[in-house]
Amino acid sequence: EIVLTQSPTTTAASPGEKVTITCLASSSVSNMYWYQQKSGASPKLLIYSTSSLASGVPDRFSGSGSGTSYSLTINTMEAEDAATYYCQQWSSNPFTFGSGTKLEIK
Amino acid sequence: EVQLVESGGGLVQPGSSLKLSCVASGFTFSSYNMHWIRQAPKKGLEWIALIYYDSSNKYYADSVKGRFTISRDNSKNTLYLEMNSLRSEDTAMYYCALTSGVYWGQGVMVTVSS
Repeated sequence: EIVLTQSPTTTAASPGEKVTITCLASSSVSNMYWYQQKSGASPKLLIYSTSSLASGVPDRFSGSGSGTSYSLTINTMEAEDAATYYCQQWSSNPFTFGSGTKLEIK
Repeated sequence: EVQLVESGGGLVQPGSSLKLSCVASGFTFSSYNMHWIRQAPKKGLEWIALIYYDSSNKYYADSVKGRFTISRDNSKNTLYLEMNSLRSEDTAMYYCALTSGVYWGQGVMVTVSS
């Protein structure tokens, strides 16, 4: 099973600030997916295939990485971006998730 | 508009069974692989099952293998999850999701408690 380790676990950012969340895989994966989950809602796809923006997602979000190291970046933090973010790999069964990063607004 | 609507959750006793449904609309259901993913209260996400578009292959997480069965009826645009021998640790919100997590349902709560 591929273990995905996200960091940080919790973080806070001021409006306009840049935020980076990392996801390290225990074995190489071909791609990484990123989801945003707001309180009481189902997860929403943000980034697919490592760096492609899902439909309707603001372009302040971006993804990058390869092999065992991936990252999600929010270029300029906005209040509506406060949420929990999860990485996930669809390369190898079981299709594991990271443990999540809770992002708060300062 | 893609919609995935889960139903069938509730409060059940340990050892009992429950069958969840997920009705799909807004896309050609019979062309896509589908997943069940769950989230225990205040915990992270756990993938639990995958079924291919034509039901030719099914895969399960170890935590549910042998107890849960994923199935689908393409004539009814419906995905199912039959859950047997339920345990307290199965308590979670259960989501159905379209291939590669592109769309998720709103989720249905399953609580296993005596």
